[in-house]
Amino acid sequence: DAKTTQPPSMDCAEGRAANLPCNHSTISGNEYVYWYRQIHSQGPQYIIHGLKNNETNEMASLIITEDRKSSTLILPHATLRDTAVYYCIVRVDSNYQLIWGAGTKLIIKP
Amino acid sequence: DAGVTQSPTHLIKTRGQHVTLRCSPISGHKSVSWYQQVLGQGPQFIFQYYEKEERGRGNFPDRFSARQFPNYSSELNVNALLLGDSALYLCASSPGPRTYNEQFFGPGTRLTVL
Repeated sequence: DAKTTQPPSMDCAEGRAANLPCNHSTISGNEYVYWYRQIHSQGPQYIIHGLKNNETNEMASLIITEDRKSSTLILPHATLRDTAVYYCIVRVDSNYQLIWGAGTKLIIKP
Repeated sequence: DAGVTQSPTHLIKTRGQHVTLRCSPISGHKSVSWYQQVLGQGPQFIFQYYEKEERGRGNFPDRFSARQFPNYSSELNVNALLLGDSALYLCASSPGPRTYNEQFFGPGTRLTVL
């Protein structure tokens, strides 16, 4: 059970901000939110992670709601190269491994 | 610096055969994890090795085995291949056993079982 809910697909215009939502209503107090992405035919790539504060790095921003039941990954100025499947992950199993869902396929359109 | 490398990139096998997939982690990384990714799904954890010891095993049959060598490279072996083993096999390396934000993936090996 991936423990997250993401829309299966989204479109965004090139140059605009891409906002990818993730619901994690059963998140525990000590569970982090991780975002990875997977460009076609490549391995997944780490983007960002956070616990309860908003986070920003050179790739994206992560906004976590105060109740921590949902979050949004923001790509501020999407380019065609941002077309990928984006995974929101919050759960760690008994092996201390991240449990991946099916992700959101983000298509950036010219 | 070289990233995580995997070989071969593609492989075609028939049912019942066995296969060995190889992974070289980023220099200095001591943890290697293996994942299976079926088309349209996220990666599913198979094994993790850290400092040459198995640290975790996912819900996969005993046909799947792995090992890590003194140089931290790793092999994944799958025996008695089934059609359902057709997938992208990903290797990820990280400095430590639970550094989820520093997990680097290789490009994967595409296995097709006929």
